[in-house]
Amino acid sequence: AQSVTQPDIHITVSEGASLELRCNYSYGATPYLFWYVQSPGQGLQLLLKYFSGDTLVQGIKGFEAEFKRSQSSFNLRKPTVHWSDAAEYFCAVGASASKLTFGTGTRLQVTL
Amino acid sequence: DAGVIQSPRHEVTEMGQEVTLRCKPISGHNSLFWYRQTMMRGLELLIYFNNNVPIDDSGMPEDRFSAKMPNASFSTLKIQPSEPRDSAVYFCASNSGGAQETQYFGPGTRLLVL
Repeated sequence: AQSVTQPDIHITVSEGASLELRCNYSYGATPYLFWYVQSPGQGLQLLLKYFSGDTLVQGIKGFEAEFKRSQSSFNLRKPTVHWSDAAEYFCAVGASASKLTFGTGTRLQVTL
Repeated sequence: DAGVIQSPRHEVTEMGQEVTLRCKPISGHNSLFWYRQTMMRGLELLIYFNNNVPIDDSGMPEDRFSAKMPNASFSTLKIQPSEPRDSAVYFCASNSGGAQETQYFGPGTRLLVL
């Protein structure tokens, strides 16, 4: 069975600082991996996805993520955080984009 | 494009009442997904349709829940009878059905069962 672990429930960073959100997955083959962002009262928006190829994936809003097979990880990074990045971030894994298992989310707070 | 449309956005009902949530997927998308989000269980896939046919309903919690997709532009998720533990945010999402197609989420329906 596939599963996703986001070990950090809540992270606080200062505006302008760098950010890394952790995601570890369990899956029997090469997975499809996704990061979504959810702003309060909104649905989820896709930030980036990995299917194959280059293990460093660029997404929207300046985010990137790196697939590390040896560590079963797909951590999300951003070099400079803006106050508008405050939201909840979800990592997801699946055999395809249609059957996803989501992590429990990491809530990001940005201090000014 | 208007995106995925869900109605109502908020619903408050009493235990035992029937609740119907509605979803209009993005035009041209042939796969539709229903999710439930709670603090305790996170985001769970309840059911998904492809070309209006239910493909996987293994996430539907029990017989009180049912979902239909009578045509390509409309789906419903019904709870009858509702219980307080059904209180959650219910999301609908759609995509073009391919293995690598991004799911686009609606804004959700926040359900409170008293």
